[in-house]
Amino acid sequence: DTGVSQNPRHKITKRGQNVTFRCDPISEHNRLYWYRQTLGQGPEFLTYFQNEAQLEKSRLLSDRFSAERPKGSFSTLEIQRTEQGDSAMYLCASSLDASGGYEQYFGPGTRLTVT
Amino acid sequence: AQSVSQHNHHVILSEAASLELGCNYSYGGTVNLFWYVQYPGQHLQLLLKYFSGDPLVKGIKGFEAEFIKSKFSFNLRKPSVQWSDTAEYFCAVNAYNTDKLIFGTGTRLQVFP
Repeated sequence: DTGVSQNPRHKITKRGQNVTFRCDPISEHNRLYWYRQTLGQGPEFLTYFQNEAQLEKSRLLSDRFSAERPKGSFSTLEIQRTEQGDSAMYLCASSLDASGGYEQYFGPGTRLTVT
Repeated sequence: AQSVSQHNHHVILSEAASLELGCNYSYGGTVNLFWYVQYPGQHLQLLLKYFSGDPLVKGIKGFEAEFIKSKFSFNLRKPSVQWSDTAEYFCAVNAYNTDKLIFGTGTRLQVFP
C-alpha cells in the first residue's frame, strides 16, 4: 500500500500522560498536514509542513502539542500532559506542492482516547 | 475567518432517489473547493474538486457539483443514488494563499435498498 500510513491506529492513555503519533506520507509528497476530528465534526486543521519546515500552526493548538518532520519525510505529533478534551481522531494528509492546487491524501487516522 | 456550512446533517434516501447536499462557504477571495467522502471504516477520499474554469465539475461515481460564486455555494449532486453511496460527505475550502483545508461538519447519507 503506497498511501498515507499512520501509527498507532488506536491509543488509549491516562490523563496527564504524553503520547506520540507517527505519519508516513506518500513518498513523493513534500507537504504534510495534521488535522483533528471529533465526533460529529469535520476535520480541523492543526499544522502543516513543506519538507521539514513547519509553515503554519493553528491558533487553536495549545503549547502541549508539538509536531516535527525532521528529515522532510515522516512526521510525529506529540501531545504532552494529555487531557480528556484531547480525545479525538488525529488525521494526517499529504500532497504535492503548489498553493492549494493539489489533492490532499488522507491516512486512516489515529484514534486517541484519554481516560 | 473562513468557514464552511453544510445544512444537511443527516439525509436518508431510497435507492434511485436524487441527491443534493448543500455547502456554503464564507470567504471573499479566490477559493478552491472540495468534496470528500468517508465510507464506513475507510479514510477520507476526494470525490471532486473545483479550482477554476467550468463551474460544473464532475467527480467519481457519478457525482457532480456546481460552484455558484454569487451564492458562495458548492452543492453536491447525484441523479440516482445507490446503496453503496452510504457514507459521510464533507465539503471543504481553502483560500488561494493557503493550503490548509477548512471543512464543514459533514452530512451523513444513508441509502436504503
